[in-house]
Amino acid sequence: SQKIEQNSEALNIQEGKTATLTCNYTNYSPAYLQWYRQDPGRGPVFLLLIRENEKEKRKERLKVTFDTTLKQSLFHITASQPADSATYLCALGGGSNYKLTFGKGTLLTVNP
Amino acid sequence: SQTIHQWPATLVQPVGSPLSLECTVEGTSNPNLYWYRQAAGRGLQLLFYSVGIGQISSEVPQNLSASRPQDRQFILSSKKLLLSDSGFYLCAWSVRVSDNEQFFGPGTRLTVL
Repeated sequence: SQKIEQNSEALNIQEGKTATLTCNYTNYSPAYLQWYRQDPGRGPVFLLLIRENEKEKRKERLKVTFDTTLKQSLFHITASQPADSATYLCALGGGSNYKLTFGKGTLLTVNP
Repeated sequence: SQTIHQWPATLVQPVGSPLSLECTVEGTSNPNLYWYRQAAGRGLQLLFYSVGIGQISSEVPQNLSASRPQDRQFILSSKKLLLSDSGFYLCAWSVRVSDNEQFFGPGTRLTVL
C-alpha cells in the first residue's frame, strides 16, 4: 500500500537558520507533490506544488526539491522566522481521481 | 474570490447521536469537494470526495456518509456517532485540473462523549 513518511514529528531550529523537512514515499508514482502549512486549529494552506518532471521549485524563502528516483521531496525554509512555526504537510497526487494522500506532518518550531 | 464555509466550528455530541456537518463553497462552479478527518497522531485522512452533484466516492468504510445535494454544498452525516468519530473535520475544494491544489475550510472540532 502507499506510504508517506515525513522525517520527524517535530523539528526545532534557531531563527535565521534554514529549516529542511523531508517527505519520503513508497509504493507510489505521483504525478506531483504538494506542501501545505497548517496552524493549530486551522485548515491546511497550500504553499507549493512540484511536478514529477521538475527538480526544484522556489517561492520567496521556500524551496522544494523532488527526486523521483529516491522517492523523496525536501522542503526548505531559508532565513527562518518564529512566524514560520507551524506543521508542514506533504501530499502526493496524480491520475484522474483528484485525490491527495497526505503525510502526518512535521511540527516546525523556530526559536527566537 | 472563492471562500469555503464550514459549520459548526465546534460540536460536542453523545455517543449514538446523529451528526450533520455542512460545507459550502462560494465563487467557483463545479468544484471537486472533499471531507477529511484529522485525529491526533493519524494525519489527514480522506473520508469522501465528490466530482459532481450526487457523485460520492467513499475512501474509508465507517458509519459516516456524505451527500452533495447542490453543486457547492457538501454534507457529512452519521446516524449514530461512535467515540472513535471524534476529531477535526475538514472540508476542501479544488478545481478540475490535474494539479489539484486544495483549499480547506476552517474545520469542525467534533468531540463524542
